[in-house]
Amino acid sequence: DTGVSQDPRHKITKRGQNVTFRCDPISEHNRLYWYRQTLGQGPEFLTYFQNEAQLEKSRLLSDRFSAERPKGSFSTLEIQRTEQGDSAMYLCASSRATNTEAFFGQGTRLTVV
Amino acid sequence: SQKIEQNSEALNIQEGKTATLTCNYTNYSPAYLQWYRQDPGRGPVFLLLIRENEKEKRKERLKVTFDTTLKQSLFHITASQPADSATYLCAPTGGSQGNLIFGKGTKLSVKP
Repeated sequence: DTGVSQDPRHKITKRGQNVTFRCDPISEHNRLYWYRQTLGQGPEFLTYFQNEAQLEKSRLLSDRFSAERPKGSFSTLEIQRTEQGDSAMYLCASSRATNTEAFFGQGTRLTVV
Repeated sequence: SQKIEQNSEALNIQEGKTATLTCNYTNYSPAYLQWYRQDPGRGPVFLLLIRENEKEKRKERLKVTFDTTLKQSLFHITASQPADSATYLCAPTGGSQGNLIFGKGTKLSVKP
């Protein structure tokens, strides 16, 4: 059990470019969550998966954001046509179920210039 | 819509005192409530989970209460230490709430 890992740790991109982040959850964890966090704020929910099924997506999430979890293992989060307002820490977490603790990765810090 | 409120953005206390943090939620009925600690630049770390049929739960210097009538949880740190300084997040979950949504957090500073 190596914990939740996220890649890359840091990403700097120009406005308008597409970016993709990867999250590898703890093996056998059915649930996988994505969050966005800006300085001084709590983690803002983006979406979550139960195995390979995407069960909920935040209404605040624009169509530029998409996430996948093929085969119920790792997950990717893609942001198309990035904007400066997308600059944030993107966190991934996994858990066995709703009533068990979630484990977080170190996050991917995105800077859009 | 579902809403989670944590009592204050920042809480400053003296070392040795008890810190009490509040989490209120509205418009849903969670079956569980989780508390996490987050240090700057790092992901949140799980501390405690309390179920709706549990009034109180303890772990070392931590104590959590869960009042489903008031729709509130209290998080206490007794004999606080400067090392307890961090942001504490609550997440009511389960029941009608299938995902894991956090409050904005309370930043605790314990002064020596």
